[in-house]
Amino acid sequence: AQSVAQPEDQVNVAEGNPLTVKCTYSVSGNPYLFWYVQYPNRGLQFLLKYITGDNLVKGSYGFEAEFNKSQTSFHLKKPSALVSDSALYFCAPRAAGNKLTFGGGTRVLVKP
Amino acid sequence: EAQVTQNPRYLITVTGKKLTVTCSQNMNHEYMSWYRQDPGLGLRQIYYSMNVEVTDKGDVPEGYKVSRKEKRNFPLILESPSPNQTSLYFCASSLVGQGINYGYTFGSGTRLTVV
Repeated sequence: AQSVAQPEDQVNVAEGNPLTVKCTYSVSGNPYLFWYVQYPNRGLQFLLKYITGDNLVKGSYGFEAEFNKSQTSFHLKKPSALVSDSALYFCAPRAAGNKLTFGGGTRVLVKP
Repeated sequence: EAQVTQNPRYLITVTGKKLTVTCSQNMNHEYMSWYRQDPGLGLRQIYYSMNVEVTDKGDVPEGYKVSRKEKRNFPLILESPSPNQTSLYFCASSLVGQGINYGYTFGSGTRLTVV
């Protein structure tokens, strides 16, 4: 069985400051890891993924994520947050059979 | 435009009155899935389908039915809705095999209220 944990329900950051959203996972075999973002009244949008290769993955809207196998983590980062980054973020490892398992989500609030 | 279309966007119904939420994708994806989103619980999978006429239960299938008679459509059926099925529902689709590397495409969601 696989699982994912996002330990923070909410992250508050000032605009222009670095943003980090934490994610740890448990999967059998090689992990396929995804980050999605959900803006108010919208569906989930793909941000980035880790399949294999470089541990630092770059995605949409200036986001990046660092895969750390020994710590089983896949933290989402952005060097300089924008107010428009305020949203709900989900980490999702992929299991065999195509299933994505979603964490509880982390709400990001970027204040001007 | 490649997309997953859900209807309706909002629905208020009464306990016990059968309803169907439709989902259609235009990307020729083999895999389709339904999730429900509840505060603090994230997204939980209800049912999924690996291809036409192939469906299987997810983590929270009780009270729901699905069908996959055509590749593009994957309706979610609530035969006798109850208030605990009040939730935000998402349909998603993807390729399988190597195509899963691109993740899921999600619909815009259906907010269901059962009174």
